Amino acid sequence: DAAVTQKPRYLIKMKGQEAEMKCIPEKGHTAVFWYQQKQSKELKFLIYFQNQQPLDQIDMVKERFSAVCPSSSLCSLGIRTCEAEDSALYLCSSSDRGAETLYFGSGTRLTVL
Amino acid sequence: GDQVEQSPSALSLHEGTGSALRCNFTTTMRAVQWFRKNSRGSLINLFYLASGTKENGRLKSAFDSKERYSTLHIRDAQLEDSGTYFCAAEAGTGGYKVVFGSGTRLLVSP
Repeated sequence: DAAVTQKPRYLIKMKGQEAEMKCIPEKGHTAVFWYQQKQSKELKFLIYFQNQQPLDQIDMVKERFSAVCPSSSLCSLGIRTCEAEDSALYLCSSSDRGAETLYFGSGTRLTVL
Repeated sequence: GDQVEQSPSALSLHEGTGSALRCNFTTTMRAVQWFRKNSRGSLINLFYLASGTKENGRLKSAFDSKERYSTLHIRDAQLEDSGTYFCAAEAGTGGYKVVFGSGTRLLVSP
């Protein structure tokens, strides 16, 4: 099983509701990444944390998402107001050497109705 | 549990040469994807296969669910092919689950 743990596996929200998904990085990893994947296409980079600090994020995350890593053992990605286009698989990955080798969780599949 | 073993972890090629990346699976997988990480950190989809082979330019991928492996062949490597490549497999049981390999860092030199 993946060393990176993500919860929940499935999440269903109505349009306008708030959503939150969690990620437990592999122990000792200092870098955490969140990705969004729609329909088995590319994994779109969302946000990158290094030592719990956000170092890079795309505009969509700044505007509508909330992402934090309050501890080295827990991170969360939230959507303040869900939209239909947010339906996707959200993958968390962690690394101990910047972004060279990534270890992925199993993902949270969000469906917005 | 479901695991993906990706090899090699690092690969150096001279321009014009080729090689193969491989992912072995511990269980039967339903489909496999190959990605390449771009400069922003996004993983760009190269191939999605449920079976057989696919080819796109200098890249070719194969997936054998029964034999539990997938390969990504690169021929006539170019400098811009340098980067990190990942395979990801969709588990065949227990609902939707994607398991990633640990990546291959490819360096193409003149």
